[in-house]
Amino acid sequence: GAVVSQHPSRVICKSGTSVKIECRSLDFQATTMFWYRQFPKQSLMLMATSNEGSKATYEQGVEKDKFLINHASLTLSTLTVTSAHPEDSSFYICSARERDRGYTGELFFGEGSRLTVL
Amino acid sequence: GDSVTQMEGPVTLSEEAFLTINCTYTATGYPSLFWYVQYPGEGLQLLLKATKADDKGSNKGFEATYRKETTSFHLEKGSVQVSDSAVYFCALKGDRLAFGKGNQVVVIP
Repeated sequence: GAVVSQHPSRVICKSGTSVKIECRSLDFQATTMFWYRQFPKQSLMLMATSNEGSKATYEQGVEKDKFLINHASLTLSTLTVTSAHPEDSSFYICSARERDRGYTGELFFGEGSRLTVL
Repeated sequence: GDSVTQMEGPVTLSEEAFLTINCTYTATGYPSLFWYVQYPGEGLQLLLKATKADDKGSNKGFEATYRKETTSFHLEKGSVQVSDSAVYFCALKGDRLAFGKGNQVVVIP
């Protein structure tokens, strides 16, 4: 089956630093990737939708300058948390939809990346 | 906007018991409905889906039927195993993908 890999799976950083999380589709091409944030005991919150070769579309309330998303190729999207603060500590998950699978195509999820900001 | 509501709280049950997790939704139009499962230490995986009213999705002994009249997509399994312990998320795809809060299921031997 299709595999989506995230890296790193865990990262600890100091307040004020920036952290980059990578999301790769390993055996398929993904025109669209999604980034989610999961708070403890809560559901996934969609942060943004990223389309290959174009600017990401951010959900209301998500700071685009804080969470930089780049989708430079059909197999890689990155999320950079800039000037991270403790309140940014969370579990970030990406998902990808296979190219040409259409609107109801299955989404494949990465394993998630746990960010802890000290 | 589109939203999904799952029953509150974790679910703890014994092996071979019957499992039901309730899910209701609010959406305009005719969304597709999904159940995702997150096993400990792993990412989300699609468990089953239904794309239109009265469709029944099934996988690994789990079933859910798309009920338009009650706007529900309850997940059921007749006899759970310890390996079914996980967090289960109901989701819909209308104009966006919306998730419920998830239910942790703990199956005790």
